[in-house]
Amino acid sequence: AQSVTQLGSHVSVSEGALVLLRCNYSSSVPPYLFWYVQYPNQGLQLLLKYTSAATLVKGINGFEAEFKKSETSFHLTKPSAHMSDAAEYFCAVRQNSGGYQKVTFGTGTKLQVIP
Amino acid sequence: DAGVIQSPRHEVTEMGQEVTLRCKPISGHNSLFWYRQTMMRGLELLIYFNNNVPIDDSGMPEDRFSAKMPNASFSTLKIQPSEPRDSAVYFCASSLESGGSPLHFGNGTRLTVT
Repeated sequence: AQSVTQLGSHVSVSEGALVLLRCNYSSSVPPYLFWYVQYPNQGLQLLLKYTSAATLVKGINGFEAEFKKSETSFHLTKPSAHMSDAAEYFCAVRQNSGGYQKVTFGTGTKLQVIP
Repeated sequence: DAGVIQSPRHEVTEMGQEVTLRCKPISGHNSLFWYRQTMMRGLELLIYFNNNVPIDDSGMPEDRFSAKMPNASFSTLKIQPSEPRDSAVYFCASSLESGGSPLHFGNGTRLTVT
């Protein structure tokens, strides 16, 4: 069975500081991994995805994530936080299970950016 | 591409009433998901359809909840009778049935049951 763990339900950073949001997964086979962002009163939007083409994945709004198989991690980073980055971020894994591409989401991390 | 369309955007109803939420997935997508989001329980998968067939409904809370997908372009989630604890934001998402395909979410329906 696949699972996703996001460490820290709330993360606060100062504007201009590094953003690091952690995601660890468990999967019996190489998974497909995703990061989504949710702004208030909106649905989730795709930030980036890992599909085995490259271990360092660049997404929208300056975010990137690195797939580390040995650590079963897919942490999300951004060098310099902007106020507009304040949102909730979800890590997700998609993997074949019983012939279907099932999706599992982490519990989310709310990012607060302090001016 | 109009994206995933959900209606209504907001629904306020009294306990005991029937509620129907609607979803139009992105054309060509063959997987559809219904999620519920609350502060207490976070994002929960209710049901997952593939090619209009329910594949995983283990997240449907109880018999008061039912979901249908009569064709590839329309799905409904019905709650009958509704209870205050059903108050939440309900999201519909669609995707291709492919491991590398992301989910595309609608803007959700905010349900309030008084």
